[in-house]
Amino acid sequence: EVQLVQSGAEVKKPGESLRISCKGSGYSFASSWINWVRQMPGKGLEWMGSISPTDSYTNYSPSFQGHVTISADKSITTAYLQWSSLKASDTAMYYCARRGMDVWGQGTTVTVSS
Amino acid sequence: QSVVTQPPSASGTPGQRVTISCSGSSSNIGSNPVNWYQQLPGTAPKLLIYSNNRRPSGVPDRFSGSKSGTSASLAISGLQSEDEADYYCGAWDDSLNGPVFGGGTRLTVL
Repeated sequence: EVQLVQSGAEVKKPGESLRISCKGSGYSFASSWINWVRQMPGKGLEWMGSISPTDSYTNYSPSFQGHVTISADKSITTAYLQWSSLKASDTAMYYCARRGMDVWGQGTTVTVSS
Repeated sequence: QSVVTQPPSASGTPGQRVTISCSGSSSNIGSNPVNWYQQLPGTAPKLLIYSNNRRPSGVPDRFSGSKSGTSASLAISGLQSEDEADYYCGAWDDSLNGPVFGGGTRLTVL
């Protein structure tokens, strides 16, 4: 079964750093880009960026460029989304999805509050 | 605001046929295939329609998609209570060099 399994919910304080993960299985992980999508509370879907696990080439939405970093380790079939300094406005659900958006992770809730 | 526009809400009664529209531009819907996603309450989005009108395995044929120019639509026939969800359209955007989504339509089954 093709799956993307994400890391668990996180509660952080403003200014803290965070890395969340997305592990793929059941398919050739290196052969398919991974997207990250944000969904703020009660809002719609926003594409943040994507990565090619083969060579770690990234493509960011201008709205998120410089605010997050996307990386991947193909040896453990895992993609990452990280922040160096969280803000309250980063509070959201974050999804990873395979290129073509045919398979989605279950989502990781990130709550940033003092 | 999304570059792709959907009505915020839609509704219908069981057994009825409902349609949800999606309006974009030449850089997204006008030049690339459209996908539709269903998001049930508290769950991740699920691919419902891809390449304008194709259904992934397991999606009932009550769901159908179409596209014309810079607009697309999702039709749901024989509406059921379990169809109550948020529906999003999406397409690659050549200007963004990434996918864009509509703002989503909340479907209520009355």
